[in-house]
Amino acid sequence: NAGVTQTPKFRILKIGQSMTLQCTQDMNHNYMYWYRQDPGMGLKLIYYSVGAGITDKGEVPNGYNVSRSTTEDFPLRLELAAPSQTSVYFCASSYGHLDYGYTFGSGTRLTVV
Amino acid sequence: KQEVTQIPAALSVPEGENLVLNCSFTDSAIYNLQWFRQDPGKGLTSLLLIQSSQREQTSGRLNASLDKSSGRSTLYIAASQPGDSATYLCASRMDSSYKLIFGSGTRLLVRP
Repeated sequence: NAGVTQTPKFRILKIGQSMTLQCTQDMNHNYMYWYRQDPGMGLKLIYYSVGAGITDKGEVPNGYNVSRSTTEDFPLRLELAAPSQTSVYFCASSYGHLDYGYTFGSGTRLTVV
Repeated sequence: KQEVTQIPAALSVPEGENLVLNCSFTDSAIYNLQWFRQDPGKGLTSLLLIQSSQREQTSGRLNASLDKSSGRSTLYIAASQPGDSATYLCASRMDSSYKLIFGSGTRLLVRP
């Protein structure tokens, strides 16, 4: 099983550029999440989705947008990239809300210069 | 506001040693607690998930315990191996919340 797939693995952006981080899962999970991990820190939630067509903000949503048109896909959009968005981004999914663990993708390492 | 702390930030042990990683949380109203392993440049792999009604979970050489009253969870690794070298993260999920609150992790090095 592929699990959670993220693309690209690495990306360098210039300040002010935009990009979309792709995330897809093949486990028919309802819940999907985007986290960012800064060096030496834990992960912080950016956005999450409880099903197709439903998204909501996490702890650090500013500068990002998401959409969930299908159960499988949950892309994260960066508009007007800033150096503060340099981080590693992880997409994750879970079948249920409270009683199930998470499955994480391998991450996208983004540098904004 | 829930805060999750992991001490120490880094740990180096010789191969074969039994070891304990610590995770503490400030709000005992957690729904569950999950331990993850993160290899350099890789994503997170779920190791163990403990529901709030449980005291411990075991998988192979790993045993995780949960004590809500003291706000602590421990991950016990028996007979450590160099392949156990990684960063270990704990994360709590609060009642009726969609998000995991992560600690900053313990970076483990098992020396051959």
